[in-house]
Amino acid sequence: DAEITQSPRHKITETGRQVTLACHQTWNHNNMFWYRQDLGHGLRLIHYSYGVQDTNKGEVSDGYSVSRSNTEDLPLTLESAASSQTSVYFCASSDQRQGENIQYFGAGTRLSVL
Amino acid sequence: AQSVTQLDSQVPVFEEAPVELRCNYSSSVSVYLFWYVQYPNQGLQLLLKYLSGSTLVKGINGFEAEFNKSQTSFHLRKPSVHISDTAEYFCAVSESESNYKLTFGKGTLLTVNP
Repeated sequence: DAEITQSPRHKITETGRQVTLACHQTWNHNNMFWYRQDLGHGLRLIHYSYGVQDTNKGEVSDGYSVSRSNTEDLPLTLESAASSQTSVYFCASSDQRQGENIQYFGAGTRLSVL
Repeated sequence: AQSVTQLDSQVPVFEEAPVELRCNYSSSVSVYLFWYVQYPNQGLQLLLKYLSGSTLVKGINGFEAEFNKSQTSFHLRKPSVHISDTAEYFCAVSESESNYKLTFGKGTLLTVNP
């Protein structure tokens, strides 16, 4: 079955280190999204991509970057991790061709920055 | 810009009681509306969606929601809840067709007690 997978599921890192979270989908979806989930804030959009070589900033993009070199993957990089980036990160994808904007989510990555 | 307000952050109910989770949105254009559910330590999964047509939509697990354009609301209901419905519920809005992003509310934690 097609799916969307995130790795690692849990990560502990130190302040100042570079961290990359992986997201891989096998649906051949054009659209991919990264969110962070924090108590009291719901899900906030970090970055998104509508196709290969396309990337866009979301509402909370500072300190994060993404690259889209193929359809399947959208890795999220924290350039220099900060304690404020301790959160649960979700990747999602959707199919432009269906015109319904339904997003399918991965299981999440819990990141702790110490 | 679109926004979503979930009026209750927590809703405790007893098993077999009815429940309504409230969602209001603001947007200057026609919208697509969604309810997602998140069980503990999992990603989000689609519960139901409104794209067009009938204002009463039915989803999985016996949930339904009604789109009310004049009140800009999309409240979620279930006539009789089960312990297994305990989860966080997110309302989301998307501007139609070419804007693929979702804007999420902050979530409502539904706790079903025996």
